[in-house]
Amino acid sequence: KAGVTQTPRYLIKTRGQQVTLSCSPISGHRSVSWYQQTPGQGLQFLFEYFSETQRNKGNFPGRFSGRQFSNSRSEMNVSTLELGDSALYLCASSLEGNSAETQYFGPGTRLLVL
Amino acid sequence: GENVEQHPSTLSVQEGDSAVIKCTYSDSASNYFPWYKQELGKGPQLIIDIRSNVGEKKDQRIAVTLNKTAKHFSLHITETQPEDSAVYFCAAKSTGNQFYFGTGTSLTVIP
Repeated sequence: KAGVTQTPRYLIKTRGQQVTLSCSPISGHRSVSWYQQTPGQGLQFLFEYFSETQRNKGNFPGRFSGRQFSNSRSEMNVSTLELGDSALYLCASSLEGNSAETQYFGPGTRLLVL
Repeated sequence: GENVEQHPSTLSVQEGDSAVIKCTYSDSASNYFPWYKQELGKGPQLIIDIRSNVGEKKDQRIAVTLNKTAKHFSLHITETQPEDSAVYFCAAKSTGNQFYFGTGTSLTVIP
């Protein structure tokens, strides 16, 4: 089975621009979660999608949004980019996202905001 | 919400020695505790996990122990090898279906 894939792998943007990142979960997985990873803050939860609906949300501003398609693929969007948005954005998938269920990560998209 | 603390933040061991990383959590409802290994430029990879109805789990050189009463769990790596060098993260998942991660331990195995 193919793992979680994320595109693009690297991205350079300037302040004020917006960006869209894509995630394809493991085949059959319906839950997709997004995380931001920075050296100072570690892994921080952004949001989780299941059956095209946002089921959980972390403490990030409204500039961070996402969506999930009927094939479980997910995208996240960051608008009005700030320098502090530079980070590794990780996507993770699991079967149903239920308690005690394993979550698998993709390789991440490294975003640099100049 | 849940709060996960991880220690130490850095750990250096000689090849062949054992390494132990410890995590504590705050939410007694948490019931799933995975450990991830992250190598440079890659996403975290699941290496072992434990559920709250089990006290210990082993997979070759890697083991995890869970003490629900004390709310802590630990990762044990025996006979360490240079390829074990990486950043290790613990996590806890409670009934809210959200994972909470520790701040990571950078493990260096010295040949």
